[in-house]
Amino acid sequence: EDKVVQSPLSLVVHEGDTVTLNCSYEVTNFRSLLWYKQEKKAPTFLFMLTSSGIEKKSGRLSSILDKKELFSILNITATQTGDSAVYLCAVRGGDNYGQNFVFGPGTRLSVLP
Amino acid sequence: ETGVTQTPRHLVMGMTNKKSLKCEQHLGHNAMYWYKQSAKKPLELMFVYNFKEQTENNSVPSRFSPECPNSSHLFLHLHTLQPEDSALYLCASSPRFRDRGLNEQFFGPGTRLTVL
Repeated sequence: EDKVVQSPLSLVVHEGDTVTLNCSYEVTNFRSLLWYKQEKKAPTFLFMLTSSGIEKKSGRLSSILDKKELFSILNITATQTGDSAVYLCAVRGGDNYGQNFVFGPGTRLSVLP
Repeated sequence: ETGVTQTPRHLVMGMTNKKSLKCEQHLGHNAMYWYKQSAKKPLELMFVYNFKEQTENNSVPSRFSPECPNSSHLFLHLHTLQPEDSALYLCASSPRFRDRGLNEQFFGPGTRLTVL
């Protein structure tokens, strides 16, 4: 059965700290791994990773995928209170052009001033 | 604004009611999805439509009935729901499925459903 595991499930840090969020997965016919940020309602897209070892970067956020060990990390440097959210990891796979998206439970990040 | 809209934003219904959730995307995408997000559980993929054709039904009870009349609109028809169906229902769209790894999803704001 396809599954995505995220750790930690919850994290509290202070502004300026650096955090690393983890995502491990098992999926049939892996296509891509995606990171989302969910603050109140709709998850918003952060990164999509398809190749191992290539870091994706956007401002203070960066992510990398290891397809051999089946995991990804999301790094946030110099955290700010606006980074407080649930960070979701999802993996796309399955048969039939990979139309199955499996989400992890999310990591709830709280950044204190 | 992600270009995906959902109505209504909140819905309270009784177990014997029939209601529908609506999703519309203005992004020119060809694939649309329904997800259920319950408290303390991961997002659960319910249905996938690719070019108006349903391609995934993840063992969803028949009291949920999707409809995709065109690639811009997606409905979720609800009837005789149970209290445990109360959740946030999210719609998403993505460009297409033919290309490997080119499908980030854009989510709507969701409909918060409460079944009494």
